[in-house]
Formats: sequence, C-alpha cells, structure tokens
Amino acid sequence: AQSVTQPDIHITVSEGASLELRCNYSYGATPYLFWYVQSPGQGLQLLLKYFSGDTLVQGIKGFEAEFKRSQSSFNLRKPSVHWSDAAEYFCAVGPFSGGYNKLIFGAGTRLAVHP
Amino acid sequence: EAGVTQFPSHSVIEKGQTVTLRCDPISGHDNLYWYRRVMGKEIKFLLHFVKESKQDESGMPNNRFLAERTGGTYSTLKVQPAELEDSGVYFCASSQVRVTEAFFGQGTRLTVV
Repeated sequence: AQSVTQPDIHITVSEGASLELRCNYSYGATPYLFWYVQSPGQGLQLLLKYFSGDTLVQGIKGFEAEFKRSQSSFNLRKPSVHWSDAAEYFCAVGPFSGGYNKLIFGAGTRLAVHP
Repeated sequence: EAGVTQFPSHSVIEKGQTVTLRCDPISGHDNLYWYRRVMGKEIKFLLHFVKESKQDESGMPNNRFLAERTGGTYSTLKVQPAELEDSGVYFCASSQVRVTEAFFGQGTRLTVV
C-alpha cells in the first residue's frame, strides 16, 4: 500500500542554520511527490513538486527537495532558515493509477526556529 | 482571484450535535476534495467530487459523514451526530483537472466536546 513517512515530528533549528526535513514514501511506480507547508492560521500551501526529470526541484521561499529513487526519499532542504519558516511541513505522494485522483500525506514535521 | 474558502474557520460543538462545514472552491474548478487531519496525525483523504458527482468517497470514515455538492459549485460536509473522534482539521481543495494542481483552503478546525 502507498504510504508516506516523515520520521521527525518536531525539529528545532536556529535562525540562519540549514534545514533538512526527511520524507520517505512507499509506492510501486514512479511517484509524483509534493511538499506543503501550513503556517499558523493559514491553509496548506504548495512549496514544490516533483513529477519527472531533474531530481533536484526548486520551490518557493528558497526551499528545494531532492528525489532519490534508490532511497525512496524526497527530503526538503533550505540553506538558511528564517524565523518566518516556523510552520508545519507535509510531504505527499499521488495521484495513483486507476483514476484515484488523490494525495497521501505524511503526518507532518513541525519546525520551530530559535532567534 | 479568490482562493478556496472554508467556513467556519473554527467550530466547537457538543458530542451528538450536528455540524456542517462549507467549502467554496476556486471558480471554474470542477474537482473538489475533502481531507481531514485528526489528532496531529497524517492528513487523510475523505472524498473527491467531479462537478456534483462523487468520484471517490473511499475515505469517508462512516455514515455519520455526508458530503454534497449541489450544482457543482460549493460543497458541504455534514457530521451527524458528531463524536469526540471527529475532532480535527478539515481541509478542502479544488483543481481544474488533476489533484496535482490543487489549491487548498485554510481548513476548518472542528472540536467536539
């Protein structure tokens, strides 16, 4: 069955430090992969997505993610974190063959940023 | 252009009561999705409308949940009667074609006490 695992529930980093949020997926075919962010009081916003091609994907707000098929991973990175990046981050995979036009999400990683 | 709008943003109800959540998709988006996040767990798919038809309702937890999309515009999700385990954040999303291009609303936080 398809699934997404985000191993880290909470992460705390200092402002200006680098960030890597982990995501592992289980899916038999070539996946479509996504990272979303939910800032306090806001909805889910798409940061970036991977469909095919270059395995390093650039997104909004200075984020990037790298697809590694051999590791079934799609980790999110940012070289220098800003206080405004404090939020909850969700990795997702989908849609699926057979007409299932839906996404499967991980449980999220909550990021805290120390000044 | 307005995004996906959900009403209310918060709702607190007592166990056994009825609550109706509303989602207004982006104009022109035929596809509308409901998702739910319970107790800090993963965001789970509930169902998918194409216009007014339910394309996939495999994620609906039980028959206390009823989703409608009359006229293919806005959608409602009714929970009747509400139970404590229904507490969570309910997200709505819409897209023109595939979910890969979907936009999400800000969510409705439902608390059942």
